Amino acid sequence: EVQLLESGGGLVEPGGSLRLSCAASGFTFSPHAMSWVRQAPGKGLEWVSSINNAGDTTYYADSVQGLFTISRDNFGNTLYLQMSSLRADDTAVYYCVRGAGSRFFDLWGRGTLVTVSS
Amino acid sequence: EIVLTQSPATLSLSPGTSATLSCRSSQNVGIYLAWYQQKPGQTPRLLIYDATNRAPGIPARFSGSGSGTDFTLTISSLESEDYAVYYCQQRSRWPLTFGGGTKVEIK
Repeated sequence: EVQLLESGGGLVEPGGSLRLSCAASGFTFSPHAMSWVRQAPGKGLEWVSSINNAGDTTYYADSVQGLFTISRDNFGNTLYLQMSSLRADDTAVYYCVRGAGSRFFDLWGRGTLVTVSS
Repeated sequence: EIVLTQSPATLSLSPGTSATLSCRSSQNVGIYLAWYQQKPGQTPRLLIYDATNRAPGIPARFSGSGSGTDFTLTISSLESEDYAVYYCQQRSRWPLTFGGGTKVEIK
């Protein structure tokens, strides 16, 4: 089955860090650019970050630039998002998605909830 | 940053009627616009890409049109499973951006 499975979400205090992982299966991971998209509770979709297939080009939303780091392991078919200096407004469901600037988001994971609260 | 403005915010329509959703871009995005559907408690799903192309498995009652700055998603005859929130998204320029969404609800 073609799928993306996120993990690593949870409750973290303001200023804390968290690393999200996304395991890809059922398709060849390495040729695809990948992204993270988030959705705050009751709100719309917000693009967070993208990485090219080789992992050597990354893009970030202004709101997370310098705070979040996207990376990937093409041998392990895994996408990562390292999040630091987390704020309350980073609270959201984080979706791992296939696609980026060169193609649309055609495969979505189920998401992992990140809650930033004291 | 390219701003996508969706209208209306909410559409109240009866099953069997046609729905017309609008997405207006603050800059020319060519055809690089997509539409996604999100049902309550579910993951978004790609419906239309490159303005007019249906994604695999999407029923023919969904169609997209437009280019440049004005785009439309049309649902020709609403079925019960079509009541959801619809988002447009551009990939013409970084940062990638989404519209605020249009909720299609049962009248």
